[in-house]
Amino acid sequence: QVQLQESGPGLVKASQTLSLTCTVSGDSISRGSSFWTWIRQPAGKGLEWIGRVYTSGSVHYNPSLESRLTISLDTAKNQFSLRLTSVTAADTAVYYCATGREAEWFDPWGQGTLVTVSS
Amino acid sequence: DIQLTQSPSFLPASVGDRVTITCRASQGINNYLGWYQQKPGKAPKLLIYTASILQSGVPSRFSGSGSGTEFSLTITSLQPEDFATYYCQQLKTYPITFGQGTRLEIK
Repeated sequence: QVQLQESGPGLVKASQTLSLTCTVSGDSISRGSSFWTWIRQPAGKGLEWIGRVYTSGSVHYNPSLESRLTISLDTAKNQFSLRLTSVTAADTAVYYCATGREAEWFDPWGQGTLVTVSS
Repeated sequence: DIQLTQSPSFLPASVGDRVTITCRASQGINNYLGWYQQKPGKAPKLLIYTASILQSGVPSRFSGSGSGTEFSLTITSLQPEDFATYYCQQLKTYPITFGQGTRLEIK
């Protein structure tokens, strides 16, 4: 079965770049029709879809983040990544990677990783 | 963006109860709606997709219905492990959006 695991720094300074990686096991990220997705959740709040990269490499981003965001595939490492520039305290959240097969219903998810933006 | 509004935001209930959570979309989304369950400190879990299809492994006491702008998630005979926060999600139009959540609490 497919498993996802987020990794990356838990603390990022304001104005700098947040970089996270999601390692996929149990499936190839370049096989089939899958949507490799990032979602975040500030403490005590709801879920925000950040964006996704499709198996082909095509991307779709949340317009609220698009100017600062890059999501990409690394097929050699079976990973996909998120890069968010010029972070502020508002970017502090638990970041989840997730996937949808054939459609963007997300299952499974990674366990999530807390990223705190410090001033 | 398509706004999803869930009601109620908080729902006190008891074990054995039947409960219904509603999700209203700001515009028609056909049946492109899913439901997730999230427990504290855990990632959300997909329960239902395409409005009414039960995800594999999800107990049959969970059911979904609706189309267009009005959707519901019903849980019959609540079990202790069902007390959690529930989110709806639409994928009719980018950006994908979620409802604000409904916290199902023990009465």
